[in-house]
Amino acid sequence: RKEVEQDPGPFNVPEGATVAFNCTYSNSASQSFFWYRQDCRKEPKLLMSVYSSGNEDGRFTAQLNRASQYISLLIRDSKLSDSATYLCVVNENSGYALNFGKGTSLLVTP
Amino acid sequence: DVKVTQSSRYLVKRTGEKVFLECVQDMDHENMFWYRQDPGLGLRLIYFSYDVKMKEKGDIPEGYSVSREKKERFSLILESASTNQTSMYLCGIRDRGTYEQYFGPGTRLTVT
Repeated sequence: RKEVEQDPGPFNVPEGATVAFNCTYSNSASQSFFWYRQDCRKEPKLLMSVYSSGNEDGRFTAQLNRASQYISLLIRDSKLSDSATYLCVVNENSGYALNFGKGTSLLVTP
Repeated sequence: DVKVTQSSRYLVKRTGEKVFLECVQDMDHENMFWYRQDPGLGLRLIYFSYDVKMKEKGDIPEGYSVSREKKERFSLILESASTNQTSMYLCGIRDRGTYEQYFGPGTRLTVT
C-alpha cells in the first residue's frame, strides 16, 4: 500500500494562532483527498474534502498540490476546541478504502 | 446524516474465545469496512465489503473473518481471539460517489 505521511507533532499553539499541517502522498494516481479530525478515544470524523482548486470552510482552508503530491490544512484563529488529531486521507482510486495517515496532534492552549 | 452503530463500545474477552463485532448502517450504502486502530500504527484496513455477500481482504485480514448477509449489517469475527487483537475496532460506510467515509463510534476490545 502506498504511503501517506504526516508530521506526528504535537503542535502546541496558543489560542488565536494560525497553524498549518502538511501531508505527502506517494501514489500519483490518487484521486480523492480528505482531512479527518479525531478526538481522544473517539472515531475519526470528516472535517473536509480537499478539492484541486483549494477550498475553505470557515476557519479551515485545505489545499492540494498534485505536482508535489502534498495536501495542506490551515486553521486560523485556533480555538481550544480545535485540539485533536488531524488525519490526512487519500483515496488511491484502485483501492477498496481510504488510506489514512497516522495523524498530526494539535493542542491549543489558553 | 449517516448513522453507523456498533454493537458494543467496550468489550473484554478471553484468549481463544470467538468474538463477534457488529456494525449497522441506516443509509443503504453498498460499501462498508472494518479497520483497527493502534497507537503508532494508525488505522489499518481489515476487510471491505462492496455489496451483500461480497468482501475483499484489506491489509491485515489474518485472524479475522467477516459476514455480510444483509446490506445494512457488516460483522467482524475473531475466530479465536488473541491478545494481539486487543485494539480499537472501527467500522463504517463509504459513500460510493464522493468516497467519503463515515465511522461508527468504535469498539474498544481487550483480550486477556
